[in-house]
Amino acid sequence: SQTIHQWPATLVQPVGSPLSLECTVEGTSNPNLYWYRQAAGRGLQLLFYSVGIGQISSEVPQNLSASRPQDRQFILSSKKLLLSDSGFYLCAWRGRERAHEQYFGPGTRLTVT
Amino acid sequence: QQQVKQSPQSLIVQKGGIPIINCAYENTAFDYFPWYQQFPGKGPALLIAIRPDVSEKKEGRFTISFNKSAKQFSLHIMDSQPGDSATYFCAARDSNYQLIWGAGTKLIIKP
Repeated sequence: SQTIHQWPATLVQPVGSPLSLECTVEGTSNPNLYWYRQAAGRGLQLLFYSVGIGQISSEVPQNLSASRPQDRQFILSSKKLLLSDSGFYLCAWRGRERAHEQYFGPGTRLTVT
Repeated sequence: QQQVKQSPQSLIVQKGGIPIINCAYENTAFDYFPWYQQFPGKGPALLIAIRPDVSEKKEGRFTISFNKSAKQFSLHIMDSQPGDSATYFCAARDSNYQLIWGAGTKLIIKP
């Protein structure tokens, strides 16, 4: 069966510090991978998606970047965090066969102070 | 045209009642309409989904009603329970296989 991992689960970082969030998927190959951000009590904002290693599409120009160094690894980064980067960050994957189904990880709660 | 409009933003229903959450879209190229359920502090999970050539789909206490001509679809929860309290998202799949998300509905089922 497929599983998706995210870490860390929670993170408190000062403004101006760097960020690295990691997501890995097990039990599938060549998935589409997604990073979403969810502000408190709000909807899902798609940040990045990737259809393969090294292929990243950005949906919202901002202070963040993403990389996919391996087939089942997706990393979200920032060089200098802003207060507005606070939120709940969710990684998701989609298989090739059931293209309407995205499966989400447990999320990372980021607080920028 | 890429939007999915979801309403209401929040909903409070007594246990046993039937909460109804509505979504509307404009893009007729959307070809799949899933609903996701999200509990606090967790990632959303796929609840039920429907294709536009079907008018209704039931899975347990959850039913999607789909009106293709009106470009609207809705989620009904029969015999609602406090454990159904969560945020519900509708979505639509576009021609690039991306999901376009509604803004979410926070549902509270009172005991």
